[in-house]
Amino acid sequence: DGGITQSPKYLFRKEGQNVTLSCEQNLNHDAMYWYRQDPGQGLRLIYYSQIVNDFQKGDIAEGYSVSREKKESFPLTVTSAQKNPTAFYLCASSLFRGSNQPQHFGDGTRLSIL
Amino acid sequence: SQQGEEDPQALSIQEGENATMNCSYKTSINNLQWYRQNSGRGLVHLILIRSNEREKHSGRLRVTLDTSKKSSSLLITASRAADTASYFCASPNFGNEKLTFGTGTRLTIIP
Repeated sequence: DGGITQSPKYLFRKEGQNVTLSCEQNLNHDAMYWYRQDPGQGLRLIYYSQIVNDFQKGDIAEGYSVSREKKESFPLTVTSAQKNPTAFYLCASSLFRGSNQPQHFGDGTRLSIL
Repeated sequence: SQQGEEDPQALSIQEGENATMNCSYKTSINNLQWYRQNSGRGLVHLILIRSNEREKHSGRLRVTLDTSKKSSSLLITASRAADTASYFCASPNFGNEKLTFGTGTRLTIIP
């Protein structure tokens, strides 16, 4: 079955540590996205990529980094510069770039601070 | 800033009743989308309505769009316990490159 796989489901970060969240899709979609969701809140866009080897900052990119070396993979690194990383992180993809495309989501990674 | 805002924030109804959620947005759009999120899961796309459409149906879902009022509504008819979830509207930012999601309506269906 085609879809988006995020791993791990739960992740704990120590002070000063960088952690990487995995996102893999087998939908052959061009565009991929990372969102952050805080309790009772909507989604906020961290980074997005419309094509391999290209990505743009979203609304809250500070303290995060991404890469897009392969079409199917879009990992997110939460760096030590992100002082409040505790949140639910969602990865999504769409067939093409642009806001008129439905987005398909993974089941998220919940990140907490130890 | 939030492009879309849902109303109400929370809604509880009896199974079998209809549920209506509203979404307001700020800028001109070419489409608006609705998503569902079950607790602890990712979002699932429900329906996309284009700016030249006034109403769209999908099973028990009915979405309306009023571009003059910059608002949309999602109606779920004959609700079921499985409809318990949060519902989000999403609209394009200026430039139509990305979506902005509202804060959601938390729907609880009471059996």
